[in-house]
Amino acid sequence: DIQMTQSPSTLSASVGDRVTITCRASQSISSWLAWYQQKPGKAPKLLIYKASSLESGVPSRFSGSGSGTEFTLTISSLQPDDFATYYCQQYNSYSRALTFGGGTKVEIK
Amino acid sequence: QVQLQESGPGLVKPSGTLSLTCAVSGGSISSSNWWSWVRQPPGKGLEWIGEIYHSGSTNYNPSLKSRVTISVDKSKNQFSLKLSSVTAADTAVYYCARATVIPPSLHYTDAFDIWGQGTMVTVSS
Repeated sequence: DIQMTQSPSTLSASVGDRVTITCRASQSISSWLAWYQQKPGKAPKLLIYKASSLESGVPSRFSGSGSGTEFTLTISSLQPDDFATYYCQQYNSYSRALTFGGGTKVEIK
Repeated sequence: QVQLQESGPGLVKPSGTLSLTCAVSGGSISSSNWWSWVRQPPGKGLEWIGEIYHSGSTNYNPSLKSRVTISVDKSKNQFSLKLSSVTAADTAVYYCARATVIPPSLHYTDAFDIWGQGTMVTVSS
């Protein structure tokens, strides 16, 4: 199975900060990586797919980059609504065994 | 707009079988999508359980494969999850989710763009 490792696990930041979250795959996944945002008691929400494509309706302050085994999610200017937990996910592996990263909680500093 | 809604017992006894259903509304389960189950234990991260295509083809998480069965009922526009021999470790919020096929191969999909609201299942005697 492909393992996904996110860092950091927790991040403290202030409104207006630029925030970067990293996700590493245990083997190359090309660009088959998604980022989700989850708030307490809610289902995850798709933000980014295929590593860098912005899902419709998602604010442009969110961006994704990377390919192969190293990926990043960047929030250019953190807004109050962005305090949440973020997960990366690889998909379309040969075995179709989908896996998520452990999550990054973005907290108010 | 496609919507997903999970349903099923909120409490299951240890060693029993967890059974959940995901109803698809606003669209057909026979469209070009893989339909998945994902779970999240309290305070922990997300774990993919498995998926099904309307043809009945399935893929499962290797760590759960021996206990999981996912099936589809096209007449009711829904798909279901059965997880056998449950323990307290199976206590979680269970979500269903959709991934759209990227033609021409059924192997490739987009990410999960639609999720159900989730249903909490507790394993306890």
